[in-house]
Amino acid sequence: QVQLVESGGGWVKPGGSLRLSCAASGFTFSDYYMSWIRQVPGKGLDWVSYISTGGSAMYYADSVKGRFTISRDNAKNSLYLQMNSLRAEDTAVYYCARVFEGGADYWGQGTLVTVSS
Amino acid sequence: QSVLTQPPSASGTPGQRVTISCSGSSSNIGSKTVNWYQQLPGTAPKLVIYSNNQRPSGVPDRFSGSKSGTSASLAISGLQSEDEADYYCAAWDDSLTGLYVFGTGTKVTVL
Repeated sequence: QVQLVESGGGWVKPGGSLRLSCAASGFTFSDYYMSWIRQVPGKGLDWVSYISTGGSAMYYADSVKGRFTISRDNAKNSLYLQMNSLRAEDTAVYYCARVFEGGADYWGQGTLVTVSS
Repeated sequence: QSVLTQPPSASGTPGQRVTISCSGSSSNIGSKTVNWYQQLPGTAPKLVIYSNNQRPSGVPDRFSGSKSGTSASLAISGLQSEDEADYYCAAWDDSLTGLYVFGTGTKVTVL
């Protein structure tokens, strides 16, 4: 079955950096676009970024453009999100999700990122 | 950056039918298919309806979806206690390059 497991979350000071990882299994990873979606605890869902199957095309929400970088390693069935210049408003649970034509189908359990001094 | 509008709450007694609306625009719901997610407390969202009205394998047929113009709806018939959760609609948006937009979310309470 499809499984997505995020890691790398934690506490970081404003201006700091963090790298999230997502390990995928149960499907042919290289056949799917992949995405990161975040949710401030108790609030709604926000699309952060997604990446094409081969990694050549990436899209970002305006709120993270220039600070976050999405990447993938198809040989390792892994998705990454490098987050730089972190701000308090980036505090959220970050989900890795598989993308199908209509949107996101399978989601990981999420990893919490806390940006605070 | 919720672009799609949902009522904040909905409720019903066990066995009743509950309907949740999702309002968008011509650049999202009006021209794209709609998905619905269920988020139980403390868990990740789960896809319950895709392509406006299709149920993924394993989702009970109590869940149904529809779309008309720039609005969509999720209906839960025969409401059960385990349906108590937050529900979000979502769709791609042509006006925001590469963005997948979500609804504001609706908390469904089983009375």
